[in-house]
Parts: sequence; structure tokens; C-alpha cells
Amino acid sequence: DAGVIQSPRHEVTEMGQEVTLRCKPISGHNSLFWYRQTMMRGLELLIYFNNNVPIDDSGMPEDRFSAKMPNASFSTLKIQPSEPRDSAVYFCASSPGAVAGGSYEQYFGPGTRLTVT
Amino acid sequence: LAKTTQPISMDSYEGQEVNITCSHNNIATNDYITWYQQFPSQGPRFIIQGYKTKVTNEVASLFIPADRKSSTLSLPRVSLSDTAVYYCLVGGGFQKLVFGTGTRLLVSP
Repeated sequence: DAGVIQSPRHEVTEMGQEVTLRCKPISGHNSLFWYRQTMMRGLELLIYFNNNVPIDDSGMPEDRFSAKMPNASFSTLKIQPSEPRDSAVYFCASSPGAVAGGSYEQYFGPGTRLTVT
Repeated sequence: LAKTTQPISMDSYEGQEVNITCSHNNIATNDYITWYQQFPSQGPRFIIQGYKTKVTNEVASLFIPADRKSSTLSLPRVSLSDTAVYYCLVGGGFQKLVFGTGTRLLVSP
């Protein structure tokens, strides 16, 4: 299995530009998560989907951020317009989802390092 | 969501056993305890998960006392490659995962 695939791996953009991050979860996983990691704030959950439906987007910092999951094999996280404070590593993770007893395990992608100048 | 508390950092030497303890006093009945490992420039990686007593896999052991208010991740005979940040998480089902600051483990020769 190729694992979770994220693209691009690195993105440098100017303030005000639109940024789109992409994620392909592991085949067969029905939960998908977007995280952001910075030195100051650590690893934060932004949004997660179950069966392509957003379950909790309370971690999305503001309206400039949006996420979609049009099908089971693809998700995007968009920032429009981007700002320097959005600079971070963005991780996508997928999970087989809840099983009997409520346990879970998440598989993380390699991350996208975003720099907004 | 159950809040977790773990040491900010730990130091060890190659070949030693390392025990990292996590406190989660308000753990709920349905919550599982999960540990992740993160190397620099990589995403976190699942290590081990348990509900009660002891769980062991090829990488680590997880000890959970009867009251489940804490847990201890045990890494036997660490090597330099075990230098990483270790996160303790509590939750279950579709609860939001909350990664704390983690424990930064440094293994020296």
C-alpha cells in the first residue's frame, strides 16, 4: 500500500494567493483528517470527514479555510486568501474508522510544508 | 475530551528501557489510550493502543492501571533511532484527536 499521499510536498506562495493542498487517503479507509502543525501551536486538528461527510470542522481557523472530499479517494484543503500566519506543515491522515469498541488508528501522510511570504 | 499530561522531555542512552507516563484523570468509559511517535519532518506514526491492563506489540508495551487515570509507554532497549516526540492521546470512535505537546525523547550513545 502506498500510504497516504499528499501533494505538493512544498508550497511557497505570496500573501493573498489561493493555495490548494491535496490528499489521497489509503484505499478502504473511510475517515480522513486534516491537521496543521507549527512550533507555536503544535499539531492541531482542522477538520475530519467520515464517509466523505464533514463531521467536525470546529478546528478550521476562519472562513479563509475550506475543505472538501468529493469522493472516497480524494480531499482538498484550500486557503483563500493565504496569509503569512498560515505558514505551517499541513498533514492529512486517514483511518479505517471506528470499529467495535470505539478504537481508531490514524495513518499520516508526509505533510505539505506551506510558506506564505 | 480527556486532557493528557506528559513530561516535556526525557533523556536516555542506547540499550536502556524508557518509560513515558501520561496522566489522563478524566478519561471516559469509552475512551481508548493511543500513543503516536513523530520524527522530524514526518507525520506522526501509530505505536500502540489499549483500553486496560497491558498491551504489547513488536515495538512497545503499554501499561494501564485499573483506574485508567494514567498509562505508561515502555520502549525496551532504545536505540538512537528512537529519538522522537511521543504523543499520548485519549479518545475513541469519532472523537476529535487532541495532540498535546508530547514528550521529546533524546537517546544518546
